[in-house]
This record gives sequence, C-alpha cells and structure tokens, in this order.
Amino acid sequence: DTGVSQNPRHKITKRGQNVTFRCDPISEHNRLYWYRQTLGQGPEFLTYFQNEAQLEKSRLLSDRFSAERPKGSFSTLEIQRTEQGDSAMYLCASSLDTLAGYGYTFGSGTRLTVV
Amino acid sequence: KQEVTQIPAALSVPEGENLVLNCSFTDSAIYNLQWFRQDPGKGLTSLLLIQSSQREQTSGRLNASLDKSSGRSTLYIAASQPGDSATYLCAAKTGNQFYFGTGTSLTVIP
Repeated sequence: DTGVSQNPRHKITKRGQNVTFRCDPISEHNRLYWYRQTLGQGPEFLTYFQNEAQLEKSRLLSDRFSAERPKGSFSTLEIQRTEQGDSAMYLCASSLDTLAGYGYTFGSGTRLTVV
Repeated sequence: KQEVTQIPAALSVPEGENLVLNCSFTDSAIYNLQWFRQDPGKGLTSLLLIQSSQREQTSGRLNASLDKSSGRSTLYIAASQPGDSATYLCAAKTGNQFYFGTGTSLTVIP
C-alpha cells in the first residue's frame, strides 16, 4: 500500500466545463475526506465519508459539487459548470477512525486551474 | 467554530539553529492535534500526531507539545537544515474534521 493516491495531479479546464477528480485511500481506512486549499491558506473541509456514507458536508460544497464513494472504496469529486473561483488544490485524506481519533494521511492533491 | 492560528506566518533562520513554531486554537475540546509539512505545490506530509491526553510527541529532530487548557501547541525543530524549508501546518481535530491554521513558511539559509 503506497498511501493515498489522487488523480489527476493537475487539471486545466475552461470555465463552464465539468471536471472529476479521483481519490484512492489507504485500503483499510474507513474514513475519507475532501479538503480544498487556495494559495496562502490552510486546507478547508469540504466533506467526509465513513465507508460509503457521506456523513457531513461543508457550506463550501455548493450544489455544483458532488462527491461519491461507491462501495466504500475510492471516491470521486465532481465540479459542474466550473468557475474561476474553483481554482484551488483539492486534497483527499483518509483515516482509520475511532472515537478517539486517528490522524489523517493526505494524498498529493489535484491542482485545478479554471481559465 | 474552531479557529486555528499560527505564528509567525514566515520565519527565516540560518542553518543549525533551533526554532519553535506556534499554533493556537480556540476550542480546547479537541480529540488530537496534527502537525504537517507542505512543500510548494505538493500535498501534506504528516509529521507528528498528539492525542488530547498526551503532552508531547517526538520524532527525530522534531518535538511537538500540546497544552489543551491554554489552547496551544508548539513544534520544536532542532538543528535546522536547508531541507527543512517548507510550510508547516497545524490542524486541530474537533468533531469529525480537522481545522487548519494558515501555516508558517520556514526558510533555512545554508
């Protein structure tokens, strides 16, 4: 297991197009998180899954954003009708979480540029 | 809502110096606190994780402390090296998510 994998690493798209990112977590991790990071800022929470259930969504996740985690394995994050403000690094993390809490393992991120 | 602040925003030190990065959080009801390193344009690499019941964690030249009651954590880097140059982020876990600071950008000058 080589850690959390994200694809693609970079994506340049025209405004108004749809994009989809993929995250493959560490196989035994039951929780998967999506974060967004803009330049000079810390990552901001978007949503998380426990197994296949999406349990929490941030207000940052507008109706143009949708995330899925079919069968509790990999996850996809889709952005419809992209806007320039969507340009950011999209980070995926996974954890084997208990009530006490484990740390996160992050992927390398997908950098989205909307032109 | 948890607010995490990191001071200083940027730090430049000569090689070999010991240094301390500071992190403060407003809600002391945290499960744990994690320090990350981020190189330009890259993802986050975990450095140290401190559970709420712990006071400190050590890994090599790194030592992180946690004082929940005062809402503070520090990351101590001993004998800094040019390869330590990066942005260091702290994240406090409250509820089901981590809340991040904006990071400290560290430059170690050879």
